[in-house]
Amino acid sequence: EIVLTQSPATLSLSPGERATLSCRASQSVSSNLAWYQQKSGQAPRLLIYDASNRAAGIPARFSGSGSGTDFTLTISSLEPEDFAVYYCQQRGNWPPFTFGPGTKVDIK
Amino acid sequence: QVQLQESGPGLVKPSETLSLTCTDSGASVSSSNYYWSWIRQPPGKGLEWIGYIHYSGSTNYNPSLKSRVTISVDTSRNRFSLKVNSVTAADTAVYYCARGNRGDATWGQGTLVTVSS
Repeated sequence: EIVLTQSPATLSLSPGERATLSCRASQSVSSNLAWYQQKSGQAPRLLIYDASNRAAGIPARFSGSGSGTDFTLTISSLEPEDFAVYYCQQRGNWPPFTFGPGTKVDIK
Repeated sequence: QVQLQESGPGLVKPSETLSLTCTDSGASVSSSNYYWSWIRQPPGKGLEWIGYIHYSGSTNYNPSLKSRVTISVDTSRNRFSLKVNSVTAADTAVYYCARGNRGDATWGQGTLVTVSS
């Protein structure tokens, strides 16, 4: 089973700042990686699929990059609604489609 | 609008079977374009992928749950279901159904299932 590690566990930033979130896989998943945003009490929302493709309706300030074992989600300028927990999920080497433990982006 | 809706008991006794249904009002479960998945989240914890079913009937399950889980589809009612046998307190979680392909783009609101006597 592929293990995903996300760092940092918590990222404290101010609105307008740039957020860089990391996801590392224990073995290659090629580009088969997705990113989700989850706000408290809500279902997750797909942000990025296939490592770098924005899902429908996702603002351009969200971008994804990487392949193989190292991936990054970047939020270019944080909006108030972006403070949430972010999960990566590998869909390249399954089953299972494992999730990372999450990175919480909170307000500094 | 809500396109996926989970339904089922919110309380299940230990050793019994957890049964949930997800009705899709936004796409046909007979479509070859999607996979229909179940994901769960214990209170205060992260996400755990349970498994998926494809229109063809093919399924894939998380090996950690495979011996206890069954996902099936009912095309006549455009819904799919989850059964987890022999539940324990560790199965207490919010259970989500989802639809997607390269990622799970559409999710239900989630339903909390508590395992307790």
